[in-house]
Amino acid sequence: DAGVIQSPRHEVTEMGQEVTLRCKPISGHDYLFWYRQTMMRGLELLIYFNNNVPIDDSGMPEDRFSAKMPNASFSTLKIQPSEPRDSAVYFCASSLAGEQQETQYFGPGTRLLVL
Amino acid sequence: QKEVEQNSGPLSVPEGAIASLNCTYSDRVSQSFFWYRQYSGKSPELIMSIYSNGDKEDGRFTAQLNKASQYVSLLIRDSQPSDSATYLCAVRRGSTLGRLYFGRGTQLTVWP
Repeated sequence: DAGVIQSPRHEVTEMGQEVTLRCKPISGHDYLFWYRQTMMRGLELLIYFNNNVPIDDSGMPEDRFSAKMPNASFSTLKIQPSEPRDSAVYFCASSLAGEQQETQYFGPGTRLLVL
Repeated sequence: QKEVEQNSGPLSVPEGAIASLNCTYSDRVSQSFFWYRQYSGKSPELIMSIYSNGDKEDGRFTAQLNKASQYVSLLIRDSQPSDSATYLCAVRRGSTLGRLYFGRGTQLTVWP
């Protein structure tokens, strides 16, 4: 299995621009998670889906952030407009209900820098 | 009180020593407990999971769980420089399927 795939791996953009991060979960997994990691705040859960349905988006910082999961093999996290404080590493993770108590497998992350 | 708290570190041990990493959690009905290792610039990877009170051993790693004290730990025996990383404790609460609550992590350095 290829594991969780994220793109792009690195993104540098200017303040005010739209940023779209993409994730392909492990095939067959029914949970998908978006995290943000910074030195100051550690690993934060932004939103997670179960069977393509958003379950908890309470971690989404504000209306500038949105996430979608149109099908079981693809999800996007969009930031519009982006701000310098959004600079972080964004991880996507997936898991399968019932398998090893829902162990989460992380993608390689997208390193976002907003200038 | 945070859901999951870890000793802040950083922790520094010599090669060959035992490294002890600690974690406490707030939800008494938590069911599943995980230790993830994260190398600098990489993503977290699962190294141990534990679900029942007691010890669970896997090679040089031992996870210990005490639900009465709401405490989980990770021991690394014969520490190697390659163990230098940040270790994240994660907990699945009984009431929230799928979601894990992560601690801030403890940075471990093993010096030769």
